[in-house]
Amino acid sequence: DAEITQSPRHKITETGRQVTLACHQTWNHNNMFWYRQDLGHGLRLIHYSYGVQDTNKGEVSDGYSVSRSNTEDLPLTLESAASSQTSVYFCASSGQAGETQYFGPGTRLLVL
Amino acid sequence: SQKIEQNSEALNIQEGKTATLTCNYTNYSPAYLQWYRQDPGRGPVFLLLIRENEKEKRKERLKVTFDTTLKQSLFHITASQPADSATYLCALNYGQNFVFGPGTRLSVLP
Repeated sequence: DAEITQSPRHKITETGRQVTLACHQTWNHNNMFWYRQDLGHGLRLIHYSYGVQDTNKGEVSDGYSVSRSNTEDLPLTLESAASSQTSVYFCASSGQAGETQYFGPGTRLLVL
Repeated sequence: SQKIEQNSEALNIQEGKTATLTCNYTNYSPAYLQWYRQDPGRGPVFLLLIRENEKEKRKERLKVTFDTTLKQSLFHITASQPADSATYLCALNYGQNFVFGPGTRLSVLP
């Protein structure tokens, strides 16, 4: 069965360190998304990609970057982790822009 | 900018009753709207999609309405069960992406 996976599921890091969160999907979807979810804010879009070599900034992109070198993966990098980036991060994919999104299980990140 | 509100942060109802969740939006006109369910520690899961030219959509015990004049969607769960307890998110398309509401945490009490 097709799926979308994220790793690690939990991560503790220190302020200033670079962190990369992995997202891998086997749906063969062109579109992939990264969101963060915080109490009181819901899901907020960080970055998204509509295909290989395509990346775009979302609502809360400062301090984050992504790269898309193949269809299956969209890693999210925190260049220099800050305490404000403590959150739960979700990756999602969809077949066509605006279609139903399939979400991964999430990564809980704590920045100390 | 777009703003989405969901009626309340938490909603408690008795088993067997109908749960009604509200999603209100301002500042734009989405072509369609989706509802997702999210269980603790898990990612959201798609439930229903309704388009702007559809007034109502049903799936088993779920019903969604979409009023573009009121800028509101209602999500109903009939004959609610404790297993329906979860957080429900509405999402509206914005261009080719989606904007999500903050969610309503539903608790169905036995």
